[in-house]
Amino acid sequence: QVQLQESGPGLGKPSETLSLTCAVSGYSISSAYHWGWIRQPPGKGLEWIGSMYHSGNTYYNPSLKSRVTISLETSKNQFSLRLSSVTAADTAVYYCAKYRTGGTVYDAFDIWGQGTLVTVSS
Amino acid sequence: DIVMTQSPDSLAVSLGERATINCKSNQSLLYSSNNKNYLGWYQQKPGQPPKLLIYWASTRESGVPDRFSGSGSGTDFTLTISSLQAEDVAVYYCQQYYSTPPSFGQGTKLEIK
Repeated sequence: QVQLQESGPGLGKPSETLSLTCAVSGYSISSAYHWGWIRQPPGKGLEWIGSMYHSGNTYYNPSLKSRVTISLETSKNQFSLRLSSVTAADTAVYYCAKYRTGGTVYDAFDIWGQGTLVTVSS
Repeated sequence: DIVMTQSPDSLAVSLGERATINCKSNQSLLYSSNNKNYLGWYQQKPGQPPKLLIYWASTRESGVPDRFSGSGSGTDFTLTISSLQAEDVAVYYCQQYYSTPPSFGQGTKLEIK
């Protein structure tokens, strides 16, 4: 059974870089599937940040592309999100998620982590 | 980018009654080569991540009760809960995955009347 768990600092300062990790258990991320990040500001809706395939192909939301980097750490079976130059508007619960079908980003997210709240404040 | 709009924003339904949530996209989500609608539905309870209920607009995810059903095609879709149970209180989101970036509706909050 595939499980995902996010981790990272819960608090960041404006202009800093936010770094989060998603640990995957029950499946090797170097085998198949795209892996993604989605965020949800408190009390608001869901926004897709980006995704990555084990081949290294990445897809980013154009609204965040200049500030986002997603990478795989296959030796640790985890993937990471870096978001630079953060502001209060980046305060949100950050989820990592697995795409339902291997080999495509054109699919739903069938497994989600529990999410981690990141607050950006000076 | 594809914009997803849900209606209503909130809904109160009596236990055992039918609940209907609508989702509209500003572009067709029907891919002609495979005749599939690239649309999913999620349920999110307080303090929990979203849970996939429906994909391809009408295919129920494994383990999802059969009182949940999805319908529609092209730009107009519906999630129906045939007989509302107390545990169905949640926010429901539709999501298109026809094109990148994938996008979600604003959510519909479902409560018990």
